[in-house]
Amino acid sequence: ESVLAQSPVTLSLSPGERATLSCRASEGVSNGYLAWYQQKPGQAPRLLIFGVSTRATGIPDRFSGSGSGTDFTLTISRLEAEDFAVYYCQQYGREPLTFGGGTKVEIK
Amino acid sequence: EVQLLESGGGFVQPGGSLRLSCAASGFTFSSYAMNWVRRAPGRGLEWVSAIIDSGDSTDYADSVKGRFTISRDNFKNTLYLQMTNLRADDSAVYHCVRAKGEWFHLGWFDPWGQGTLVTVAS
Repeated sequence: ESVLAQSPVTLSLSPGERATLSCRASEGVSNGYLAWYQQKPGQAPRLLIFGVSTRATGIPDRFSGSGSGTDFTLTISRLEAEDFAVYYCQQYGREPLTFGGGTKVEIK
Repeated sequence: EVQLLESGGGFVQPGGSLRLSCAASGFTFSSYAMNWVRRAPGRGLEWVSAIIDSGDSTDYADSVKGRFTISRDNFKNTLYLQMTNLRADDSAVYHCVRAKGEWFHLGWFDPWGQGTLVTVAS
C-alpha cells in the first residue's frame, strides 16, 4: 500500500505566520488524487482540499495545496487562531486509500 | 445541512460483535458511495470499508476482511457496519463518511460524522 509520511509531526508557529506542511508518498499518487483534512479536538475531520489543489466549499483562500508525483504541500498563508489543529493528507489513487500520520499545528 | 450521525459504539469483549449505524440527512443518500474510517488511540486514520451507492458492491481493508460487513438501507437513509470477532486493535472512533470521486472505494470524504467509539477489552 502507499504509505504517506507527513512532516513535521508538530509545527509551532504564531498567528499571522505562514505554515508549510509536507506529505510524501511511498509511491506516485495517480492522477493527483490527494486530499487534505483538518481536525480540531472533539470535532470530526473537515475536508480542505481534494485533487491536490481544489479547495472544498467554504474553505478560505489562505489554504492552498500543491505538488505532484510523490511530494505534496499544504500551505496556510497567514495562520489564524482557528487554524491551529491537526492536518492529514490522504491519497485515493491506489488501493487501499491511505492517510498520513498527521501534522499538528500548534501555537508558539 | 448535510449530516451524518453515527451510533452503536460501546464496550465489548474480544471476540464479541457490534453493529454501527449512521443516519444520513440533508442529501440524496442513495446517490452517494459511503465509507467507514476509523482512528485508533495514538494512531492515524485508517480506511475500513466502502459501499457503492446502490449497495451492490463493497470493499474492505485487509485488517477487517471476513469480520466486518458494510451495508446500507437507501429507504431509511442509513449506513451500517456489522463487526464480528472483534479484537483489541479494532478499538477506535469509527467515522461514517460520504465519498466523492470516480470509484466508490477510492475517493475523498466530505462530510465526516462525529464518530462513535468502540472499545474492545476484557
